[in-house]
Amino acid sequence: AQSVTQLGSHVSVSEGALVLLRCNYSSSVPPYLFWYVQYPNQGLQLLLKYTSAATLVKGINGFEAEFKKSETSFHLTKPSAHMSDAAEYFCAVSENTGTASKLTFGTGTRLQVTL
Amino acid sequence: EPEVTQTPSHQVTQMGQEVILRCVPISNHLYFYWYRQILGQKVEFLVSFYNNEISEKSEIFDDQFSVERPDGSNFTLKIRSTKLEDSAMYFCASSVWPTPLGYTFGSGTRLTVV
Repeated sequence: AQSVTQLGSHVSVSEGALVLLRCNYSSSVPPYLFWYVQYPNQGLQLLLKYTSAATLVKGINGFEAEFKKSETSFHLTKPSAHMSDAAEYFCAVSENTGTASKLTFGTGTRLQVTL
Repeated sequence: EPEVTQTPSHQVTQMGQEVILRCVPISNHLYFYWYRQILGQKVEFLVSFYNNEISEKSEIFDDQFSVERPDGSNFTLKIRSTKLEDSAMYFCASSVWPTPLGYTFGSGTRLTVV
């Protein structure tokens, strides 16, 4: 069974500081990994996804994530936070079983950006 | 860019009433999904649907829930007798392939049961 653990339900950074949101996964087969962002009262927007093509994945809005198999991690980073990055971030994992595969989400990390 | 459309955006219903949440997936997509997010909690898988039948369902998706694709364009989630704990944001997603690599999520329907 697949699962995701997001360490830190709330993260606060200053504008311009490094953003680091942590995600560890568990999967019985090589996983697909995703980061989604959710702004208040809005839907889920895909930031980036790992498909085994490259371990460092670049996404939208300057975010990137690195897949580390030895650490079963897929942490999300951004070099310089912007006020507009304040949102809820969800890490998710999927196992490709050949049927209609589901996403399993983590509990989310709320990012606060302060002046 | 093609979108998954969900209607209504917000629905309020009385406990015990039936509700139908509607989704229009992207036209060439074949795989359809419902997820829900109780306020302040994580997004949870409910059900996947392909070729007019359920592929997989979670333990949340009990006999009170049903899905169908009534007319080849809409994909609906019905809750037969709503409970207070059904209050949540419900997201529809569709995909060309049987993998979330190609998911497109809708913007969600907020269901409030009073």
